[in-house]
Amino acid sequence: AQSVTQLGSHVSVSEGALVLLRCNYSSSVPPYLFWYVQYPNQGLQLLLKYTTGATLVKGINGFEAEFKKSETSFHLTKPSAHMSDAAEYFCAVSGTGANSKLTFGKGITLSVRP
Amino acid sequence: DSGVTQTPKHLITATGQRVTLRCSPRSGDLSVYWYQQSLDQGLQFLIQYYNGEERAKGNILERFSAQQFPDLHSELNLSSLELGDSALYFCASSSPVDRLEYGYTFGSGTRLTVV
Repeated sequence: AQSVTQLGSHVSVSEGALVLLRCNYSSSVPPYLFWYVQYPNQGLQLLLKYTTGATLVKGINGFEAEFKKSETSFHLTKPSAHMSDAAEYFCAVSGTGANSKLTFGKGITLSVRP
Repeated sequence: DSGVTQTPKHLITATGQRVTLRCSPRSGDLSVYWYQQSLDQGLQFLIQYYNGEERAKGNILERFSAQQFPDLHSELNLSSLELGDSALYFCASSSPVDRLEYGYTFGSGTRLTVV
């Protein structure tokens, strides 16, 4: 079984500041890890994913995340926040075999101050 | 447009009623997943279908049922509705291979309000 912990429900940063959204996972098998973004009144959009290979993955809109197995973490970062980054962000984990499904964390709301 | 189509976008109905939510997956995707999103529970996995067959069940109530048709569209049926069933219901589809390297593609959801 897999689970995801996203500490805190809300993060607020100034425009131009570093964005850091934390995600820790629990998995009994090597995981696939994902970050999704949800803008108001919209569905979830895939930001980036880790499956195998390079542990630092780059996604859309300047976001990146690093898979750290020893820390069971997959934190999302962006060097410089933009007002358009304000949204809810979900970390998700899955197994790699058939019948696997995505398990989501509770989500973090990112606010960006001018 | 993600390629996953959900209808209707909004639904308001009374307690005790039954509704059907519809989902058309992205072209070529064989798996369909249903999720419920509410403020208190977050995103909860309900059920998965793969090529017409039920593959996995999550926290789906007995009052809820789903199916996937030969053309791969899926329907989620919610009956004997209660106020607590008010939520955003998402459908997602995944790549033709029944694995998750590519994640899911989500529809824009159906917002259900039970009054």
